[in-house]
Amino acid sequence: TQLLEQSPQFLSIQEGENLTVYCNSSSVFSSLQWYRQEPGEGPVLLVTVVTGGEVKKLKRLTFQFGDARKDSSLHITAAQPGDTGLYLCAGIQGAQKLVFGQGTRLTINP
Amino acid sequence: DAGVIQSPRHEVTEMGQEVTLRCKPISGHNSLFWYRQTMMRGLELLIYFNNNVPIDDSGMPEDRFSAKMPNASFSTLKIQPSEPRDSAVYFCASRRGTGTNYGYTFGSGTRLTVV
Repeated sequence: TQLLEQSPQFLSIQEGENLTVYCNSSSVFSSLQWYRQEPGEGPVLLVTVVTGGEVKKLKRLTFQFGDARKDSSLHITAAQPGDTGLYLCAGIQGAQKLVFGQGTRLTINP
Repeated sequence: DAGVIQSPRHEVTEMGQEVTLRCKPISGHNSLFWYRQTMMRGLELLIYFNNNVPIDDSGMPEDRFSAKMPNASFSTLKIQPSEPRDSAVYFCASRRGTGTNYGYTFGSGTRLTVV
């Protein structure tokens, strides 16, 4: 059983469309991070959200932390082929233990 | 900054052989993590160290797996004897501190195939 459930697991859309990826848990996390992973490489940190209700923007990416600090979402506006990759949410338990969701494999078609 | 360095990048070994994976964390990072990634189970935390001391090894699947961190700049993950179900990509990550805003920096991984 995954502590963090991501949906959808796979998403294929056309360039220019918008999309949202969800990360849900029954547990409360001290913070939540989003990573992007490309083939043959390790995950790369995109953002950390700490406060319930927090919203952070990274160019066309918008990240939101749920009020109860159990869930998060990633919204991409006007997706581009360069956004293709595996997006992972991860929650920090306690001070150090980072646990990952299964990931959302995103494909943006030109 | 060279990042987290893992070696080898690829390892193919026969069932029953000993396998040693290596990791050099970023200088100044005092926490080190070993993860395993498979299609079925995603990224799983195996073990992590703070200041070279193992803190949580609850993710280590069996006694066949062991990890050491003899100093701040080097860690190993050993599998003895290896089995085909150990085939996966193994990642090492390091972190500077324990505050919630600190990110984890991952290496490029070691792809292990046990035949």
